[in-house]
Amino acid sequence: RKEVEQDPGPFNVPEGATVAFNCTYSNSASQSFFWYRQDCRKEPKLLMSVYSSGNEDGRFTAQLNRASQYISLLIRDSKLSDSATYLCVVNNVSSGSARQLTFGSGTQLTVLP
Amino acid sequence: EPEVTQTPSHQVTQMGQEVILRCVPISNHLYFYWYRQILGQKVEFLVSFYNNEISEKSEIFDDQFSVERPDGSNFTLKIRSTKLEDSAMYFCASTPRTVHNEQFFGPGTRLTVL
Repeated sequence: RKEVEQDPGPFNVPEGATVAFNCTYSNSASQSFFWYRQDCRKEPKLLMSVYSSGNEDGRFTAQLNRASQYISLLIRDSKLSDSATYLCVVNNVSSGSARQLTFGSGTQLTVLP
Repeated sequence: EPEVTQTPSHQVTQMGQEVILRCVPISNHLYFYWYRQILGQKVEFLVSFYNNEISEKSEIFDDQFSVERPDGSNFTLKIRSTKLEDSAMYFCASTPRTVHNEQFFGPGTRLTVL
């Protein structure tokens, strides 16, 4: 089973649409959760951290369900500039003092005019 | 806003040659990382570094790889004898603390091994 699993898409949506991405993770000891976005051939850029209580940043809402080991991202009123690959990322506990990030394969979003 | 920087942006090398990829993490950050992304695949962890030593490394980070922080600002990844399968984007990242802190990525170095 993959450590972090995402629907690869692609998701093609019209401008203004609402789109939701889902992600599951296999390690129940995972401690921190993030959504990153990655534009073609660029670095991953942090979109938002994901907290158990759920959190919102403008048009973006992230949810975490620890019992189901499930993370979601909702984008409302999508813009052309939202077109990117969205990466579900989990930060696991390790024996060392730093924690590696484990990335999903990403979900590709294209917002159409 | 401070950023992680990486040089060069693109490195082309012959198989068997040594390469050094350079990174300047954000200045007040304490933890440093290297990741790689083979074209079309997901981002994979290579190594983390704290207090001038390796904290964790993945199976990918074998004896051909090494990291160093030679001065107060640079953080380098060396590949001793490159293989074709080392061709990838290599991303450096840094974070100020470990506990629930996000990692910030540099723009990457595209390594092409011929």
